[in-house]
Amino acid sequence: SQQGEEDPQALSIQEGENATMNCSYKTSINNLQWYRQNSGRGLVHLILIRSNEREKHSGRLRVTLDTSKKSSSLLITASRAADTASYFCATDGGGTYKYIFGTGTRLKVLA
Amino acid sequence: DAGITQSPRHKVTETGTPVTLRCHQTENHRYMYWYRQDPGHGLRLIHYSYGVKDTDKGEVSDGYSVSRSKTEDFLLTLESATSSQTSVYFCAISESVRFADTQYFGPGTRLTVL
Repeated sequence: SQQGEEDPQALSIQEGENATMNCSYKTSINNLQWYRQNSGRGLVHLILIRSNEREKHSGRLRVTLDTSKKSSSLLITASRAADTASYFCATDGGGTYKYIFGTGTRLKVLA
Repeated sequence: DAGITQSPRHKVTETGTPVTLRCHQTENHRYMYWYRQDPGHGLRLIHYSYGVKDTDKGEVSDGYSVSRSKTEDFLLTLESATSSQTSVYFCAISESVRFADTQYFGPGTRLTVL
């Protein structure tokens, strides 16, 4: 079963707009990570947020974590065509070094 | 990209044949992972290794075996390939025992079983 489930499954926006995608998970976690995957490539780590953090920023990325709701969101501000990719959340399932990935959100940014 | 290579990058094989995929890293990371990626399922962990000759099963390990005789190499073997094993396979590595560690991914191997 999937620990992380992203929502929406697909998102299409215009360049310059903000993109928000969400991740819900089922069990307690110690941390949550977001990854990006460009078409035909491997995943690339974007950002990690720990369970005792509520918000984290990295450049144009903003991640929030609500452990009471078991959910996280990834916001990409001022999106660019180069942000077109699939985005995955990954959770640690509460204390192992095995990460469980969600099914991903496919983001398309139109120029 | 982290120093991770996968070989072959593409393979077409027939049902019932054995297949071995190789993951090679130059980062000297302790942990190595094999995932498969299928539409609608995201990435699913097949097997992982926490050291030389130390491996364990992931969530979809049936039909797969692994071996790690050197720090830098992690092999995934399909003993008798089936069409359900058609997928894209990714290798990943991570550095430490901390569960907060980042995983670095290889470029993937696209396997087609006819």
